[in-house]
Amino acid sequence: GEDVEQSLFLSVREGDSSVINCTYTDSSSTYLYWYKQEPGAGLQLLTYIFSNMDMKQDQRLTVLLNKKDKHLSLRIADTQTGDSAIYFCAESSSTDKLIFGTGTRLQVFP
Amino acid sequence: GAGVSQTPSNKVTEKGKYVELRCDPISGHTALYWYRQSLGQGPEFLIYFQGTGAADDSGLPNDRFFAVRPEGSVSTLKIQRTERGDSAVYLCASSPSRNNEQFFGPGTRLTVL
Repeated sequence: GEDVEQSLFLSVREGDSSVINCTYTDSSSTYLYWYKQEPGAGLQLLTYIFSNMDMKQDQRLTVLLNKKDKHLSLRIADTQTGDSAIYFCAESSSTDKLIFGTGTRLQVFP
Repeated sequence: GAGVSQTPSNKVTEKGKYVELRCDPISGHTALYWYRQSLGQGPEFLIYFQGTGAADDSGLPNDRFFAVRPEGSVSTLKIQRTERGDSAVYLCASSPSRNNEQFFGPGTRLTVL
């Protein structure tokens, strides 16, 4: 079945770039997403990429997609303490439901 | 405008009891989804409604779980004979249509003692 995997934890210094990685197994994925979850808050969609794209940039966020290797990454430039949260990679195919990874906890220290 | 709301925000119940969790989607959104998030995990899909009908219920873990959306707006997730393993945060999301961005509610934290 479909599976999405992420590393569990990432720690970066404020001002540095963060790179969060994700691998998925479903070759029929049409959209791939990055969500942010802060304590006590709902899931917030950060950005998404269509499966026929290689890259998408949105202000401080850059998404890279390697469809051959089924690898997705999220780069956050100039990481701030407010970026500390859990980041989820998710994919969807024609069935609409989202398949989420286990989440990467990003900790930003001064 | 108002986002997706879920009630109650917290629910504590005893093993074997029946619970109902409510989701109010964004007005006009035809698609509604339920997910379950266990501690330390990502959300897992439970069921998807398009309008009043369940278009995909493949994520419901067993027949103790049931969901309805009788008028195509508010949805209720019903869990019978709750077990301790049902403890999780239950998330609801709505979308203007299928294959569109899903907007998530804050979730209901269910604790089964």
